Amino acid sequence: EAGVTQFPSHSVIEKGQTVTLRCDPISGHDNLYWYRRVMGKEIKFLLHFVKESKQDESGMPNNRFLAERTGGTYSTLKVQPAELEDSGVYFCASSQGQLTTNEKLFFGSGTQLSVL
Amino acid sequence: AQSVTQLGSHVSVSEGALVLLRCNYSSSVPPYLFWYVQYPNQGLQLLLKYTTGATLVKGINGFEAEFKKSETSFHLTKPSAHMSDAAEYFCAVTRRNTGFQKLVFGTGTRLLVSP
Repeated sequence: EAGVTQFPSHSVIEKGQTVTLRCDPISGHDNLYWYRRVMGKEIKFLLHFVKESKQDESGMPNNRFLAERTGGTYSTLKVQPAELEDSGVYFCASSQGQLTTNEKLFFGSGTQLSVL
Repeated sequence: AQSVTQLGSHVSVSEGALVLLRCNYSSSVPPYLFWYVQYPNQGLQLLLKYTTGATLVKGINGFEAEFKKSETSFHLTKPSAHMSDAAEYFCAVTRRNTGFQKLVFGTGTRLLVSP
């Protein structure tokens, strides 16, 4: 069974450009999460989808970030326009159900975004 | 707001030595607690978690952690380090007021294992 897949693994762009990150969760997983780690700091929650609906987007930094999950399958995270402080590793994670005692969260290997 | 503190951004041990990675949390209510590991070029992998019940939790690869409410700690240990344990380790918490859906992570501790 394929795990959580993220594309691209690395992206280098210039300030002001647009970048779109993609996440393919494990098939059948309704819950999809985006997290971000700025270099040297903690991994921070960005948002949570349940199927195609945004359950919690309280961690989105600002309106330059747009996350979508059309059809409740894969998700994209677009940054437009990118700023220097957006650099970091963007992680996607998925789970079949809500995170309760027995549920497990599966993470992708992340997209390393560098904004120059 | 809840937070997680991991003491030491880097911990170095010799192969065969005890591994101790420290994690303290702040939370007004009992949280769920997790340890994740990230090997190079891989995603985060769950090592173990505490939700309710027994406070000593055993995980994969010989790791275990003990929830100590009085100390607000959830330190990760392994009796004997192996070279393959070299990775970055993250402590995380979540709690009921977020529906247990939002993980709050520490800054991570990189474990270095020398021969």
